[in-house]
Amino acid sequence: NAGVTQTPKFQVLKTGQSMTLQCAQDMNHNSMYWYRQDPGMGLRLIYYSASEGTTDKGEVPNGYNVSRLNKREFSLRLESAAPSQTSVYFCASSDGQHQPQHFGDGTRLSIL
Amino acid sequence: QKEVEQNSGPLSVPEGAIASLNCTYSDRGSQSFFWYRQYSGKSPELIMFIYSNGDKEDGRFTAQLNKASQYVSLLIRDSQPSDSATYLCAVNLNSGNTPLVFGKGTRLSVIA
Repeated sequence: NAGVTQTPKFQVLKTGQSMTLQCAQDMNHNSMYWYRQDPGMGLRLIYYSASEGTTDKGEVPNGYNVSRLNKREFSLRLESAAPSQTSVYFCASSDGQHQPQHFGDGTRLSIL
Repeated sequence: QKEVEQNSGPLSVPEGAIASLNCTYSDRGSQSFFWYRQYSGKSPELIMFIYSNGDKEDGRFTAQLNKASQYVSLLIRDSQPSDSATYLCAVNLNSGNTPLVFGKGTRLSVIA
């Protein structure tokens, strides 16, 4: 009964390093999402994938890339990490855009 | 501009009282409305969703939707200290295949 699984749970990077955050869901959902959450800013959408084979930019895509590897997996890549990308990252999935989203436990990322 | 607005709080209520959380949205054509609870350091958890005007009850929680006035509310009856959390309102705007828009959340504190 895993739902949405994110790895890693914690990570510390140095400025300029690259990193891929992994997300997998076992609910056979069509849509997947990546958010970041910073104090006082709420959840901000980075990228989403409405269905397998498609990806779209959200509110704050700069500095990130994504890959929808298959229906289950959606990864987020930081090519050259910056301190401004220190945040908590959440992956979510839903059966469609009008359906509830289900969230993973998050990845706490610190960039020094 | 497409927006979902919530009072950031904190909203403080005594144990046993009714907590009333409000959310307004800008797009009159919005169709789907969701309430999430987020404990400190945890991921958002879906607690209610509502699609039609009126009230929807689930245990101690009631969601109220008024599309004419463009607001959705969450009532928590018999509030408990364990209800202390941030409550996020999310709206699916009726402008095509687009993801949920989240409010920044209202922090609720239930005082024993």
